[in-house]
Amino acid sequence: AQSVAQPEDQVNVAEGNPLTVKCTYSVSGNPYLFWYVQYPNRGLQFLLKYITGDNLVKGSYGFEAEFNKSQTSFHLKKPSALVSDSALYFCAVRDMNTGFQKLVFGTGTRLLVSP
Amino acid sequence: DADVTQTPRNRITKTGKRIMLECSQTKGHDRMYWYRQDPGLGLRLIYYSFDVKDINKGEISDGYSVSRQAQAKFSLSLESAIPNQTALYFCATAGSGGDIQYFGAGTRLSVL
Repeated sequence: AQSVAQPEDQVNVAEGNPLTVKCTYSVSGNPYLFWYVQYPNRGLQFLLKYITGDNLVKGSYGFEAEFNKSQTSFHLKKPSALVSDSALYFCAVRDMNTGFQKLVFGTGTRLLVSP
Repeated sequence: DADVTQTPRNRITKTGKRIMLECSQTKGHDRMYWYRQDPGLGLRLIYYSFDVKDINKGEISDGYSVSRQAQAKFSLSLESAIPNQTALYFCATAGSGGDIQYFGAGTRLSVL
């Protein structure tokens, strides 16, 4: 079965510092990987995706993610964190076992950026 | 106006009551989904629908039912609510590519 793991419940970083939110995946075949963000009292919003090609994927709000096949990881990064980046971040993988395009989400990582 | 609208936004109900959560979308998408979010568990898929005639169970469908009344409307029902169905419920839609899902703002449900 396709799955993703987010090993950290919370990540704390000071504003202006680089941030990394970790995600590892387990899939059969080539992975289709995603990051979503959830701001307080809002639904999830798509940030970026990796399908194929360049291992560094750029997304919304200055975020990027690095796909690493040997480490089966897809970590979310940003060079300089903002207080407004504080939110809940979800990694997801496409479920390839069905003909229908479903996503399997991780448990989420709360990012707290302090001023 | 939001592209994916969920009603109500908040609901408190009692054990044994039947309730319905509604979702409508203006994105013209075929695919619609219902998830529940619980702290520490992330999002779990309850039901999904490819089109009006296609409805499928997700990983946690027990105790829930759905109705796809039209392409734009997808309702989730709890026939007899129980306290462990207290959660945040999200509706989402996706186009033909299916990868990018668009979420409603959620319904916070409490079952007492």
